[in-house]
Amino acid sequence: KQEVTQIPAALSVPEGENLVLNCSFTDSAIYNLQWFRQDPGKGLTSLLLIQSSQREQTSGRLNASLDKSSGRSTLYIAASQPGDSATYLCAVRRETSGSRLTFGEGTQLTVNP
Amino acid sequence: NAGVTQTPKFRILKIGQSMTLQCTQDMNHNYMYWYRQDPGMGLKLIYYSVGAGITDKGEVPNGYNVSRSTTEDFPLRLELAAPSQTSVYFCASSYSTGGEKLFFGSGTQLSVL
Repeated sequence: KQEVTQIPAALSVPEGENLVLNCSFTDSAIYNLQWFRQDPGKGLTSLLLIQSSQREQTSGRLNASLDKSSGRSTLYIAASQPGDSATYLCAVRRETSGSRLTFGEGTQLTVNP
Repeated sequence: NAGVTQTPKFRILKIGQSMTLQCTQDMNHNYMYWYRQDPGMGLKLIYYSVGAGITDKGEVPNGYNVSRSTTEDFPLRLELAAPSQTSVYFCASSYSTGGEKLFFGSGTQLSVL
């Protein structure tokens, strides 16, 4: 059974700091991995999607990496801003799971002005 | 551009009552999903649909039913509400099940008392 873990559960940083969020998964037979952002009382917004054949994806100040063999992904946020405060979730799609994504529990990020 | 629209945003039910959570998308997506999110937890898949007339169970389908009569709509039915169904429910859609990003609605917060 695929399990997805995100550490830390919560993170508080000063504005301007570069930071890394971690996601680990137990089964390396994945099809792709997505990073989502969730604001309080809102739905999830897909930030980056990495296919299993890719090593990283970039969008603006965000960079996500994937190491299938070690079962790890990281989300790097450069020059953090208060508007980055949100919960960040990763989700993996297994090769054999059809439409199912397995989600981590999320990292709650607070960027202090 | 509405995207994925869920109604209602909030609902309180008494044990044993029934209700339908509505979800509609205007992106002509084939795939639609219902997830539930319990406090501090990741999302768990309840049901999904790969097209009109086709539905399948996810991880936690017990106590729920779905139908997909049109491409746009994917309602979730709770027949006999139980306190264990207190959660936030998210509807999502994607064009395909492969390398496509998921688009989420803003959620329905349901309390069963």
